[in-house]
Amino acid sequence: AQSVAQPEDQVNVAEGNPLTVKCTYSVSGNPYLFWYVQYPNRGLQFLLKYITGDNLVKGSYGFEAEFNKSQTSFHLKKPSALVSDSALYFCAVRRDSNYQLIWGAGTKLIIKP
Amino acid sequence: NAGVTQTPKFRILKIGQSMTLQCAQDMNHNYMYWYRQDPGMGLKLIYYSVGAGITDKGEVPNGYNVSRSTTEDFPLRLELAAPSQTSVYFCASSPTQDTQYFGPGTRLTVL
Repeated sequence: AQSVAQPEDQVNVAEGNPLTVKCTYSVSGNPYLFWYVQYPNRGLQFLLKYITGDNLVKGSYGFEAEFNKSQTSFHLKKPSALVSDSALYFCAVRRDSNYQLIWGAGTKLIIKP
Repeated sequence: NAGVTQTPKFRILKIGQSMTLQCAQDMNHNYMYWYRQDPGMGLKLIYYSVGAGITDKGEVPNGYNVSRSTTEDFPLRLELAAPSQTSVYFCASSPTQDTQYFGPGTRLTVL
């Protein structure tokens, strides 16, 4: 069965510091991995995806994520956090032959000035 | 571009009532999805569609129905509302099986 784990309910980072939001997955076959962000009272917005190729993926708003097959992880990173990055972040995975995304529970990111 | 629109934004239902959540997209996407988001949980897929006239069940379809008569519209029907259906409902569309574009959501309370 497919699953996604976001082990941290909340991550607190000072503005200007690097941030990491963790995601691990379990899926048979080739994984398609995604990160989405949700601002308060809004729908989710796509940040980045890994399908194949380079393990380091760059996305919107300066975010990047690193695919690690041996650790089955897809952590979201940013070198220098902004207060405006404060939001709820979701990791999702699907198999290459499956329509359905499986979503993590979300991680609340709080950036303090 | 309006993108994905959802109506209503908020709704309170009594137990046993029914309603339809509307979703429309103007991007000519083939794939459309309905999710529910419960507090502290990830999104759960209710139903999805790969094109007009084609729908299929997701992870949590019980108590819901959908139809897809046009590419643009993908309404979600709740029959006999129950408190367990209190949630935030999101509609999404996608041109392929990858990046999904989400509507603003409908917050539904069943009392």
